[in-house]
Amino acid sequence: DQQVKQNSPSLSVQEGRISILNCDYTNSMFDYFLWYKKYPAEGPTFLISISSIKDKNEDGRFTVFLNKSAKHLSLHIVPSQPGDSAVYFCAASGGSNYGQNFVFGPGTRLSVLP
Amino acid sequence: NAGVTQTPKFRVLKTGQSMTLLCAQDMNHEYMYWYRQDPGMGLRLIHYSVGEGTTAKGEVPDGYNVSRLKKQNFLLGLESAAPSQTSVYFCASSYGTLRSTDTQYFGPGTRLTVL
Repeated sequence: DQQVKQNSPSLSVQEGRISILNCDYTNSMFDYFLWYKKYPAEGPTFLISISSIKDKNEDGRFTVFLNKSAKHLSLHIVPSQPGDSAVYFCAASGGSNYGQNFVFGPGTRLSVLP
Repeated sequence: NAGVTQTPKFRVLKTGQSMTLLCAQDMNHEYMYWYRQDPGMGLRLIHYSVGEGTTAKGEVPDGYNVSRLKKQNFLLGLESAAPSQTSVYFCASSYGTLRSTDTQYFGPGTRLTVL
């Protein structure tokens, strides 16, 4: 059973509009969350993170929101740019059996249309 | 600074063959990881290492072995390849805390096909 879920395999938005990528988790022990971005034929690269003591973290055009009671986080990209087209992975850690490890969601493919 | 590099980038094996994937990092990171990524699934941890000479099992370790003889290198071995091991393999490294500003840095991946 997947502990980190990204229920939208793909998302398309117009350039300049807001992109909202969602992530849900089931393990209440998770206390640290990250978003990674992945281009084809490259490894994932870190985008933004949030600790469970916060409900929002912002970095330029990227904002991550955390709703602990709903076990839900979201990544907002404003404004969206064509270069943002990539696969976005949500990852979570805390209470893991595998040392300091992250559990990754399946990813959401974002397409930003010019 | 090359970051995290992986060798080879592509490989095709026949069932039962063996091979070793090499990961190298030049950031003096303590922790290193091997993941596999399959369609519709997130990255799943195979094995990891918290320092030179140490290794530990991750979520999906069966059929793989690893070694960390040098701090900068982390090797992933397949002793007898099976079609179920067809996947994209990513190596990653981190300073070691995976908290606050720590993060994992990933290599470009190795696409392995087992026929």
